[in-house]
Amino acid sequence: NAGVTQTPKFQVLKTGQSMTLQCAQDMNHEYMSWYRQDPGMGLRLIHYSVGAGITDQGEVPNGYNVSRSTTEDFPLRLLSAAPSQTSVYFCASSIGWGTSGANVLTFGAGSRLTVL
Amino acid sequence: AQSVTQLGSHVSVSEGALVLLRCNYSSSVPPYLFWYVQYPNQGLQLLLKYTSAATLVKGINGFEAEFKKSETSFHLTKPSAHMSDAAEYFCAVSDQGGDDYKLSFGAGTTVTVRA
Repeated sequence: NAGVTQTPKFQVLKTGQSMTLQCAQDMNHEYMSWYRQDPGMGLRLIHYSVGAGITDQGEVPNGYNVSRSTTEDFPLRLLSAAPSQTSVYFCASSIGWGTSGANVLTFGAGSRLTVL
Repeated sequence: AQSVTQLGSHVSVSEGALVLLRCNYSSSVPPYLFWYVQYPNQGLQLLLKYTSAATLVKGINGFEAEFKKSETSFHLTKPSAHMSDAAEYFCAVSDQGGDDYKLSFGAGTTVTVRA
């Protein structure tokens, strides 16, 4: 079982460059999300999606775009990278709400991004 | 909006000693509560979750947590620490039901286990 797969694992960008972090899950999960992890701040929600064609903003959406054209994929785009976006990014998915209890997230291994 | 506060960013315990990690929540409605663990260079994985069925919740690797509504707390404990428990631990909260799918995480507590 692959679970949640994130690519790339590491990336270095220059200020102003654009890139896409890929996230794919093979569990037929409805809900997918992106978090960023920074020291002392825990995980902060960037964007999330409750199904194909539906996305919404989380706590820190500025500078990031997402789309959800299929159930499996949820890419995160940085349009013009800034040093403040240096972070570790996690994609997470769940089967959805209201199904046998609470929303339990399955996380990818993370993508470490450095913006110079 | 729901939120959690984890008291103590670092906890150091001796092998075999009690592990106690503190989490207090703030929610306008009865919440779902979670503890996740992150081992070095890995993603987060679920330790345990509270969904209102029982106030004492048992998780993996000998961890348990007790939901105390009067104290708005969900502290994580393990009676006897093992070296493999060295990791970062996150408390998280979400609202029950509705259309709020989002989890809010605490800042995390790093656990160091001394031999």
